[in-house]
Amino acid sequence: AQSVTQLGSHVSVSEGALVLLRCNYSSSVPPYLFWYVQYPNQGLQLLLKYTSAATLVKGINGFEAEFKKSETSFHLTKPSAHMSDAAEYFCAVSVSGGYNKLIFGAGTRLAVHP
Amino acid sequence: NAGVTQTPKFRVLKTGQSMTLLCAQDMNHEYMYWYRQDPGMGLRLIHYSVGEGTTAKGEVPDGYNVSRLKKQNFLLGLESAAPSQTSVYFCASTDSGSFREQYFGPGTRLTVT
Repeated sequence: AQSVTQLGSHVSVSEGALVLLRCNYSSSVPPYLFWYVQYPNQGLQLLLKYTSAATLVKGINGFEAEFKKSETSFHLTKPSAHMSDAAEYFCAVSVSGGYNKLIFGAGTRLAVHP
Repeated sequence: NAGVTQTPKFRVLKTGQSMTLLCAQDMNHEYMYWYRQDPGMGLRLIHYSVGEGTTAKGEVPDGYNVSRLKKQNFLLGLESAAPSQTSVYFCASTDSGSFREQYFGPGTRLTVT
């Protein structure tokens, strides 16, 4: 069975600082991994996804994530935080067996302060 | 394209009342999903559908029913609402290719008193 663990339910950074949001997965098959972002009072939108083509994945808004099989991790980073990055971020793994079902982590709320 | 829309946006129910949440998508997607989002628990799959006329249980199906009579619509029903069903409900859809991203609606905030 697959699962996702996001370390840190709340992360706070200064504007311009590095953003690092942690995600570890458990999967008995090669995983397909996603990061979604949820802005206040909105639905989720895709930031980026890993589907085995490349271990470093670039997404929208300057975010990227690196797949590390040895560490079972898929951490999300952004070199310089912007106030508009304040949101909740979810890591998800695609469930084996098809139908594009996802298992989500608990989420990390990112706060950016001036 | 409107993408994925949900009706209503907000609703307050009393314990024991029933209601139906409507999800509509205009992207001709085969797969549709209903999730609930609770603080500290991420999103959990309630039910899903892989095509018109089909439905299947997800992780937390108890207390909910669904129907997919038309490809573009996916309905979530609560027959007898309970306070434990207070949550934010999201609908999503995707096409039938492998490992495609899901597209989400804006959510419905339901409070059961």
